[in-house]
Amino acid sequence: QQPVQSPQAVILREGEDAVINCSSSKALYSVHWYRQKHGEAPVFLMILLKGGEQKGHEKISASFNEKKQQSSLYLTASQLSYSGTYFCGTEGAGNNRKLIWGLGTSLAVNP
Amino acid sequence: DTGVSQDPRHKITKRGQNVTFRCDPISEHNRLYWYRQTLGQGPEFLTYFQNEAQLEKSRLLSDRFSAERPKGSFSTLEIQRTEQGDSAMYLCASSRDRVKPGELFFGEGSRLTVL
Repeated sequence: QQPVQSPQAVILREGEDAVINCSSSKALYSVHWYRQKHGEAPVFLMILLKGGEQKGHEKISASFNEKKQQSSLYLTASQLSYSGTYFCGTEGAGNNRKLIWGLGTSLAVNP
Repeated sequence: DTGVSQDPRHKITKRGQNVTFRCDPISEHNRLYWYRQTLGQGPEFLTYFQNEAQLEKSRLLSDRFSAERPKGSFSTLEIQRTEQGDSAMYLCASSRDRVKPGELFFGEGSRLTVL
């Protein structure tokens, strides 16, 4: 089941904050967040595991509500370099390392 | 360069022809994934390997698609009798997973255009 991301698109001015959400209809073992710039490969941002463990960049924060099967990515004090499309990938409770990706959230940060 | 490399980066072919893509993962990465991505969409799972074993193949794929990872190193993705609907970016990613999932390292992708 493909996770649902919201919003579909966000436009920010430099320095503003944004939250991107990802929700699944199935129980999850992990949630992964990646950013992709136009014409480039997706780049790793964060992994959140069931049980609370996280792995990712210091400047990016995220949450994972296991009961609600939801994750949120928090982008604070946005910079121009944050622009791109953000994808969440979800791994089911079976812990099989197979990620199913959402449709993405397009983020544009303007000066 | 020790990243994931894919070849070719671009392929233009006529409908009905066969194409093969190659992916060289990061050394010692035991997991290798193939995804397909079209404009405005997220990566669509195709198949993945743990070492040389193909663990799963997407039900969305027809029998025209096949992937191999001999000796658990590089991998190839072959599409037989290509159709215009096969036009997309084919992404390869690798990871080093142990008890817990590791981050995926993506290659630059192989863009396929079927005329």
